[in-house]
Amino acid sequence: AQKITQTQPGMFVQEKEAVTLDCTYDTSDPSYGLFWYKQPSSGEMIFLIYQGSYDQQNATEGRYSLNFQKARKSANLVISASQLGDSAMYFCAMRERSGGYNKLIFGAGTRLAVHP
Amino acid sequence: DGGITQSPKYLFRKEGQNVTLSCEQNLNHDAMYWYRQDPGQGLRLIYYSQIVNDFQKGDIAEGYSVSREKKESFPLTVTSAQKNPTAFYLCASRTGTGASSNQPQHFGDGTRLSIL
Repeated sequence: AQKITQTQPGMFVQEKEAVTLDCTYDTSDPSYGLFWYKQPSSGEMIFLIYQGSYDQQNATEGRYSLNFQKARKSANLVISASQLGDSAMYFCAMRERSGGYNKLIFGAGTRLAVHP
Repeated sequence: DGGITQSPKYLFRKEGQNVTLSCEQNLNHDAMYWYRQDPGQGLRLIYYSQIVNDFQKGDIAEGYSVSREKKESFPLTVTSAQKNPTAFYLCASRTGTGASSNQPQHFGDGTRLSIL
């Protein structure tokens, strides 16, 4: 069963506008963490923002914020004031505990294109 | 500068040949990970290690092998048993070893492997 779902294969946004990238997750573990990564065309994965399951407030990091709706099991990434350099693949990931170990489960990603 | 170094950037494999991808980190991170990424898809976990001389199979370990003899090094060997090795391989590391740790994984720049 898919644990991380990103339903938007591609998104377009005009420069300087805000965009929301969707992510839903599935877990029965009460303690979990959600991460967003950016992957430019060069290939490296860049950590953007993190939200813990027990965090009371939505995470923010500069132009990035996380719309965390725990009851709906969603953790959408909001990018404000989009820039051309934001064009990239974006991946949502969930920290999973397994037999005393810690690993990330990634979604399929959303490709964001920012237009001038 | 502290970081994760993957080499080579591009690698070509002949039929029946084993090849080894290098991953070195000077971040003093305990946990290290190898992922495979196919075009247009998310990351899939191959192997991971939380401490020296210990490693665990991920979701797609068949045809791959690893070692963790030193804290800073986690090489991945793609064996001849891996019939479809063409992909982008990413190495990551993370501080902390606890199963509940929510420290983000930090990634290298990746190695692109192709079959000749």
